[in-house]
Formats: sequence, C-alpha cells, structure tokens
Amino acid sequence: RKEVEQDPGPFNVPEGATVAFNCTYSNSASQSFFWYRQDCRKEPKLLMSVYSSGNEDGRFTAQLNRASQYISLLIRDSKLSDSATYLCVVRDTGRRALTFGSGTRLQVQP
Amino acid sequence: DTGVSQNPRHKITKRGQNVTFRCDPISEHNRLYWYRQTLGQGPEFLTYFQNEAQLEKSRLLSDRFSAERPKGSFSTLEIQRTEQGDSAMYLCASSLALEATEGYTFGSGTRLTVV
Repeated sequence: RKEVEQDPGPFNVPEGATVAFNCTYSNSASQSFFWYRQDCRKEPKLLMSVYSSGNEDGRFTAQLNRASQYISLLIRDSKLSDSATYLCVVRDTGRRALTFGSGTRLQVQP
Repeated sequence: DTGVSQNPRHKITKRGQNVTFRCDPISEHNRLYWYRQTLGQGPEFLTYFQNEAQLEKSRLLSDRFSAERPKGSFSTLEIQRTEQGDSAMYLCASSLALEATEGYTFGSGTRLTVV
C-alpha cells in the first residue's frame, strides 16, 4: 500500500465548477500536511499547508481528518488556470522528508 | 533570481557514464533536499542536508548515488555508472529551519535521460 494515495483523475470540469480532491495517508504518525500544485513539466509549488482545524485561502479550502487519515482540497469557482496536477503531501514526525502522492490531474474546460 | 537554481536543465548521457548535477538553494535557507520524479509519479525523497551535514538518506539512494554540500551552500548530486532506470527529473528544494510548518521551494529540476 502506498503511503499517500490519491485518485489520479483526470477530473474534467467546466469553468466555475466546484471540485474536490481526496487523499489518504497510511502513517498515523504523520505530522504535517500540504497540497502542492504541479504544472506540466514544471516543478511542484506549495499551494497551501493543511491545518487540523481546516483552512481556506481564497477559492481553496483544505481539510484534515486525523482519525480517518484523510485530507481534502476543495476548489470553488474553477478557473482555466487551475488546470494542473495537485499533489497531496505528508511529513512524518521526526523526519524532514516529505512523502508525495502521485497526484490528481485537474483539467478545467471553457 | 532569488529562487532555487539547478544546472544543467537537461542532461542526456550514455549508459555507464557518470553525471553530476548542481543545486544552488535560496541563500538564507539552511535545509536542502534532493528528490527524483518519474512520469506520472510524485517526487520521491533521496536525501536531505542541514547546512553541510547530510542527515537523512533514502534507501532509493544506492551506492551509485552520492550527494555533497561542502560549505553548506550549493549541493551536488553525482550518479555513477548511470542506468536507463536513472532517467528521471531530479529536483532540488530548500527550506528554512525556523519555519514551523515549512513547505519547500523547489528548483526547476534537471531532466536526465540515459540512452
């Protein structure tokens, strides 16, 4: 079983739609959680950290459920520019290394 | 440019040759990381430095791989006797230790093709 699992997609949605991605992680000792965005043939870029209480950044909302070991990302009012691969990322307690999921591809269509 | 810089951007090499990549982190960042990414997968951790000390290495880092950060600034990743399976994007990232929940800043990567 992979340490971080994501639905690879692709998710094809129209502009303006709301889309949600889910991610599960296997290590209950995971301490820090992030969503990264990666455009085709580019480096990953930090989208947002995920906090236990949930957090929002503009059109993006991230939630963490430690009991179920589940992380989500909600994107409201999708833009064409949101088309990318979204990587779910965890860091285990006591480690500096990040563990990445394989990513979920989003394609927003006009 | 104040981001993470990696050189070269692309490298094509014949199987069995040695290659070396360089990473220049953001200047005030004391942590430096190397990752490898293949098509359709997320980045996989290779190794991590705090200043000049190599503190963590993945089991993915076979004895053909070596990384250094001699003065706690730039880092090099060398792959000896390259194999076709080494073909991947090699990503360097840096972060600042004082940030409690820090994410990384990645460089643009070095794309290695072994033929």
